[in-house]
Amino acid sequence: GAGVSQSPSNKVTEKGKDVELRCDPISGHTALYWYRQSLGQGLEFLIYFQGNSAPDKSGLPSDRFSAERTGGSVSTLTIQRTQQEDSAVYLCASSLGWGRVGYDEQYFGPGTRLTVT
Amino acid sequence: GQQLNQSPQSMFIQEGEDVSMNCTSSSIFNTWLWYKQDPGEGPVLLIALYKAGELTSNGRLTAQFGITRKDSFLNISASIPSDVGIYFCAGQRGNQFYFGTGTSLTVIP
Repeated sequence: GAGVSQSPSNKVTEKGKDVELRCDPISGHTALYWYRQSLGQGLEFLIYFQGNSAPDKSGLPSDRFSAERTGGSVSTLTIQRTQQEDSAVYLCASSLGWGRVGYDEQYFGPGTRLTVT
Repeated sequence: GQQLNQSPQSMFIQEGEDVSMNCTSSSIFNTWLWYKQDPGEGPVLLIALYKAGELTSNGRLTAQFGITRKDSFLNISASIPSDVGIYFCAGQRGNQFYFGTGTSLTVIP
């Protein structure tokens, strides 16, 4: 079956430009997460969507970062006025959502590698 | 954001050897998770641990949720070449997940 997909797989942009990264979660998954992975580092939580609830934005590093999730499905992560330190792999994950008994397993997409020159 | 202390950072082992890696945190977690990430891919869940003291196996993998809820370890027995990759621990608290910095494993045939 289809897993989580992300596009583009690679993005090179100039410093100061805006970028949009897209995530298509697994159909039926109500929860969606964005993470940032810098070279040689673990995953840094950015933002979490659960159904129609207000997103948990506590991980966004600055106000240049924003994300939306339209219709409870596709999500877009936008970075405005990109800086070189934004260069990283941006990973999206989805899960069935809270309310389940036990752990709610996240399924990760392959990521978008962003390079800011 | 908070990151977990994961060690070792990298390992180079001979095929057939056993591997052990661990993760510690200053905070307690409700769930500990272990993932493997191959190049160009997202992490894939290997083992999830739900209770303090729990010891869980998945094939050649064994993981434990520390009694204090602040640590976990992962063992891989009889390593094979396809075990190569980066292994991450993660702790879950509420709807947030905190990841370790990863252990890069190289298996020499």
